[in-house]
Amino acid sequence: DTAVSQTPKYLVTQMGNDKSIKCEQNLGHDTMYWYKQDSKKFLKIMFSYNNKELIINETVPNRFSPKSPDKAHLNLHINSLELGDSAVYFCASRRGGEAFFGQGTRLTVV
Amino acid sequence: GENVEQHPSTLSVQEGDSAVIKCTYSDSASNYFPWYKQELGKRPQLIIDIRSNVGEKKDQRIAVTLNKTAKHFSLHITETQPEDSAVYFCAASRWVEYGNKLVFGAGTILRVKS
Repeated sequence: DTAVSQTPKYLVTQMGNDKSIKCEQNLGHDTMYWYKQDSKKFLKIMFSYNNKELIINETVPNRFSPKSPDKAHLNLHINSLELGDSAVYFCASRRGGEAFFGQGTRLTVV
Repeated sequence: GENVEQHPSTLSVQEGDSAVIKCTYSDSASNYFPWYKQELGKRPQLIIDIRSNVGEKKDQRIAVTLNKTAKHFSLHITETQPEDSAVYFCAASRWVEYGNKLVFGAGTILRVKS
């Protein structure tokens, strides 16, 4: 069973569109994250949630809105997509130590 | 907030040689320091971690050292093999359970030449 799964794996869309990425973890972890990995490979934290509550918002534009319906799910909705949003987005979950990552969603805005 | 710096950004070694990647962190409250390996097109995966109550940890060909006073920690890979080629990330965090963030260094591209 996949520990952290996110969908879709690839997403190609036009500027100005709205899109969502879904993430689910079956590890029973309380903490979930969204990270953005740009073309230079830097893993930048975007949001941190604990038990469905937003803990950290790292000055991400408010076009990005995370939603956690329960502690096993953390979705990311992006409004009015821009070229600069093109990146790989990783969801991760964690309890205490090791963070487990999803397989990533490669978002390409054209 | 925490800031993690990682060096070098790229590292090329001959197969069989050792590789060392170094990181520094800024938050003295950080007490958990993992290392992740990311192969091309894959997700980052934990390869080794260390908590601040120990100075060194080893797992087969990889080892991590921590100097809390200097806020330095390093990854050492011995007898490198072509399959060690990947991007390596260090990270720093506090070992707590309420959503504390895991801050990554900028990554090191390791190339092992055979």
